[in-house]
Amino acid sequence: SQQGEEDPQALSIQEGENATMNCSYKTSINNLQWYRQNSGRGLVHLILIRSNEREKHSGRLRVTLDTSKKSSSLLITASRAADTASYFCALGGYNKLIFGAGTRLAVHP
Amino acid sequence: EAGVAQSPRYKIIEKRQSVAFWCNPISGHATLYWYQQILGQGPKLLIQFQNNGVVDDSQLPKDRFSAERLKGVDSTLKIQPAKLEDSAVYLCASSLSSGRTNTGELFFGEGSRLTVL
Repeated sequence: SQQGEEDPQALSIQEGENATMNCSYKTSINNLQWYRQNSGRGLVHLILIRSNEREKHSGRLRVTLDTSKKSSSLLITASRAADTASYFCALGGYNKLIFGAGTRLAVHP
Repeated sequence: EAGVAQSPRYKIIEKRQSVAFWCNPISGHATLYWYQQILGQGPKLLIQFQNNGVVDDSQLPKDRFSAERLKGVDSTLKIQPAKLEDSAVYLCASSLSSGRTNTGELFFGEGSRLTVL
């Protein structure tokens, strides 16, 4: 399959806890991107990490990329109820961006 | 800066009818994408334009789906005739990427939700 596979499919946590989502893939990539989708809305770009990078941070988000294991993880620290959404990894290639099936995150107050 | 505009937001039709969706990308964005997102799944690329040329339409069901991007700006996606399995959200996205390059950040519209009865 050319798309990334997210794990877990669903995650339920309490506010203040950390949430970790993983993405594994099989093809070679130029970059890997993470997007968030709130219910009934479009996707919003979170972070892009290039294939020669190992880690990137943006606010409460931390993304790692291990090209030898063909995997990436998205960590959301100190989660909030507003983080409730679906999170998708997308494999970036030459003129191509392929999305996985997503992880549905529920953060309970 | 205005975002990606899509219309209509919702459409309900009966099978075998036709429907059209419209998208206006962010000004200056060369690349425009149409994705289909079935409930509970990730977005699947239907067609990708660079300016007014097609880059990839390998997953577009060409017997019933068509898309155009006249003058390299806004785009329409048409389904005729619709089937039950076409019920989905149709997402339009745009990016600055131009030429043969690695795909960068995509900006998405809110989507057009289609229900086929």
